[in-house]
Amino acid sequence: ETGVTQSPTHLIKTRGQQVTLRCSSQSGHNTVSWYQQALGQGPQFIFQYYREEENGRGNFPPRFSGLQFPNYSSELNVNALELDDSALYLCASSQRQGAEAFFGQGTRLTVV
Amino acid sequence: ILNVEQSPQSLHVQEGDSTNFTCSFPSSNFYALHWYRWETAKSPEALFVMTLNGDEKKKGRISATLNTKEGYSYLYIKGSQPEDSATYLCATGRGSTLGRLYFGRGTQLTVWP
Repeated sequence: ETGVTQSPTHLIKTRGQQVTLRCSSQSGHNTVSWYQQALGQGPQFIFQYYREEENGRGNFPPRFSGLQFPNYSSELNVNALELDDSALYLCASSQRQGAEAFFGQGTRLTVV
Repeated sequence: ILNVEQSPQSLHVQEGDSTNFTCSFPSSNFYALHWYRWETAKSPEALFVMTLNGDEKKKGRISATLNTKEGYSYLYIKGSQPEDSATYLCATGRGSTLGRLYFGRGTQLTVWP
């Protein structure tokens, strides 16, 4: 297993609520990316953080936001949850952009 | 949106069979090609990161090749074992969006004893 940990592993939320997902990077990695994997799809890039700054964003609305902390851990926040936000959310850390990514096990979010 | 295609979608083989999967991607602005193995209830694990046209990499019974000019990569598994059962994902990185990986939908491999 990689040194990337995500919490919680599973979560059920109601439409309209807000959620925060957390990711602890592998030691020495200053770059964190978040991906959403909907059923039957490949992971889709949400955004990336490098040294606490957002450094690239995919085709996701502004209600998806994030943070990276000085210890390089990260949060993904989703406001005003919609049913279509139900998915597996993966966090990946790397030593630099474009390098091998080390993934966590993901957080399974269900919106009802 | 960048199209990364993987085929086949799923594959069932007998233990000892050799198998291969394909990943195709746009050849323009290519930076890197990643292969990941993803076992159920675990995190995706990197197998290979390849950047050069003609690159070939090997890890035990698994190997991969890369053709950046025509935009495809092959993953080969020699003498499949039940523990090879997993989803194999490929992803490409582009020069213009260096940190972002574009994933295919994966090939789900089941190896029967």
